[in-house]
Amino acid sequence: SAVISQKPSRDICQRGTSLTIQCQVDSQVTMMFWYRQQPGQSLTLIATANQGSEATYESGFVIDKFPISRPNLTFSTLTVSNMSPEDSSIYLCSVELAGGSYGYTFGSGTRLTVV
Amino acid sequence: AQTVTQSQPEMSVQEAETVTLSCTYDTSESDYYLFWYKQPPSRQMILVIRQEAYKQQNATENRFSVNFQKAAKSFSLKISDSQLGDAAMYFCAYRRGSGYALNFGKGTSLLVTP
Repeated sequence: SAVISQKPSRDICQRGTSLTIQCQVDSQVTMMFWYRQQPGQSLTLIATANQGSEATYESGFVIDKFPISRPNLTFSTLTVSNMSPEDSSIYLCSVELAGGSYGYTFGSGTRLTVV
Repeated sequence: AQTVTQSQPEMSVQEAETVTLSCTYDTSESDYYLFWYKQPPSRQMILVIRQEAYKQQNATENRFSVNFQKAAKSFSLKISDSQLGDAAMYFCAYRRGSGYALNFGKGTSLLVTP
């Protein structure tokens, strides 16, 4: 099974600032996704991270607010920009491992609090 | 758009008993996958069980089994011999096919009492 390293695990940030979250996988990956989980809610897809090209964003999420990079197959970053208290959530990366459709594996999540 | 509905926000079960969590979904696709994920307070998403739509046989993983009713678009999770460690949020999820993202239900919070 793959190991996904997601950093930081938690952070408290001032409004108006930005935070970059990293996701590193130790196995071959075909797909990488970023999700947001607001307090007490389910997971909502932010975007699909595409290697070497612009991410594909879901309705309600824009690149200026959530820029995503994926410079290679096993690494991606999500930046939460110009943060407000409404951005306080858990952010999770999720990957589809190469060679199987055995469900997606998730990072341990980043708990972000904006004050 | 595909939707996943979990109609039970909370469920409770006594230790060693059996509990069933409900999930229904809506899709026009013929090829898709269904999953149950567990999220304990640590917030780590853990895959519990998966089902391919083309398989008629219900998936089982130790104490966990599903009742997959394709025509009814129903996908319930049965937990047998419940343990205290089963207490968590359980999410039902749908995926169209390889390469597509998961679409989650709102979740069911499972409480296990001694």
